[in-house]
Amino acid sequence: QGQLVQSGTEVKKAGASVKVSCKGSGYSFTSYGISWVRQAPGQGLEWMGWISAYNGNTNYAQKLQGRVTMTTDTSTSTAYMELRSLRSDDTAVYYCARDPAGTTYSYNYLDVWGKGTTVTVSS
Amino acid sequence: QSVLTQPPSVSGAPGQRVTISCTGSSSNIGAGYYVHWYQHLPGTAPKLLIYGNSNRPSGVPDRFSGSKSGTSASLAITGLQAEDEADYYCHSYDSSLSVVVFGGGTKLTVL
Repeated sequence: QGQLVQSGTEVKKAGASVKVSCKGSGYSFTSYGISWVRQAPGQGLEWMGWISAYNGNTNYAQKLQGRVTMTTDTSTSTAYMELRSLRSDDTAVYYCARDPAGTTYSYNYLDVWGKGTTVTVSS
Repeated sequence: QSVLTQPPSVSGAPGQRVTISCTGSSSNIGAGYYVHWYQHLPGTAPKLLIYGNSNRPSGVPDRFSGSKSGTSASLAITGLQAEDEADYYCHSYDSSLSVVVFGGGTKLTVL
């Protein structure tokens, strides 16, 4: 079925960067993509972008272009999301989710999710 | 303000039926993009409940069903159980914004 395990809570200063990891297990990691979704306190879910675990192709939400970088390490079946120039409104729980879009992005459901990583940005 | 509009909360007694609406527009649900639904208990991983408007992944009880009509979609839960108390989100794509969109979420309370 598959499982995604995310890294732990982060507290960062405004202007800093954060890198969240997401380790996949129980499935063929390179057969899927990974989407990242965040949820700010009291808000709904926001899609951040997608990366192919097969070839590294990415598709970022325009809102985050230039500040976000998604990568994967196939040797450890781990995906990473780095967000730079952090602001207070980046305070959120960040989720990774398995995306059936494996090589080229196409809108799809997200069938396995991590439990989330809390990122708090303080001024 | 979410592109997909959901009621902030719904409630029902055990055994009852509830529906959660997800209202979009001609650039997302009305354009034919699939709607997916997730169940989320805070502090846990969200769970895929319905995909492709009305399909249930294996392991999801048939008490959960999805439908779509025009620019809206609905999630129905029959035989309400205490364990169904959670937040529910709809998910689609918006071609005008060229971005994946989620509803604002609906908190289901089992009375």
